[in-house]
Amino acid sequence: QVQLVESGGNLVRPGGSLRLSCVGSGFIFSDFYMSWIRQAPGKGLEWLAYINSTSDITYYTDSVKGRFTISRDNAKNSVFLEMNNLRADDTAIYYCARAVRAGVGATNHWGQGTQVTVSS
Amino acid sequence: DIVVTQSPDSLAVSLGERATINCKSSQNLLWSSNNKTYLAWYQQKPGQPPRLLIYWASTRESGVPDRFTGSGSGTDFTLTINGLQAEDVAVYYCQEYFSTPYTFGQGTKVEAK
Repeated sequence: QVQLVESGGNLVRPGGSLRLSCVGSGFIFSDFYMSWIRQAPGKGLEWLAYINSTSDITYYTDSVKGRFTISRDNAKNSVFLEMNNLRADDTAIYYCARAVRAGVGATNHWGQGTQVTVSS
Repeated sequence: DIVVTQSPDSLAVSLGERATINCKSSQNLLWSSNNKTYLAWYQQKPGQPPRLLIYWASTRESGVPDRFTGSGSGTDFTLTINGLQAEDVAVYYCQEYFSTPYTFGQGTKVEAK
């Protein structure tokens, strides 16, 4: 069955950096667009970024543009989120998610999430 | 950016009754070249990641019970739960995927009365 497992979340000081990873299994990873979505404590969902199957198309929401970078390694069935210059309002659970299919931004498989806390 | 607004923020429905959640987009989500509407609905229970229920505004994801129905077009959409079950208590989100950033609505909390 399809499985996504995130890792890399941690407590980090403001201005610090983290690299989140997400490993997929149970499907042909290289066939699917992948996204990162986050949820601040007690808040709603915020779409952050996506990357197409061949890594030549990426999109970001404005709040993370220039600070976060999405990438993937299809040989390792992995997608990454490099996060720099972290701020307190980046504190959230970060989910990776798989698109239904190419060209469909809806995501039908999600990981359990990894917690990122930005605090001094 | 497209703004997506849900209503109500919360609702309480008796078990077995109908729950209706509305979602309004600031832009038309119909792509005329393929006649598809770029709107999805998700369910999130406490401590769990979201679960996709509906995409293309009305296409039920595999395994989703048929009591969940998505409808609407253009800028106004509805998720209907016919015959609320105890396991349907959750927060529901709509999301546009017409253009990036793929904005979510603020969520609607559904409780059992």
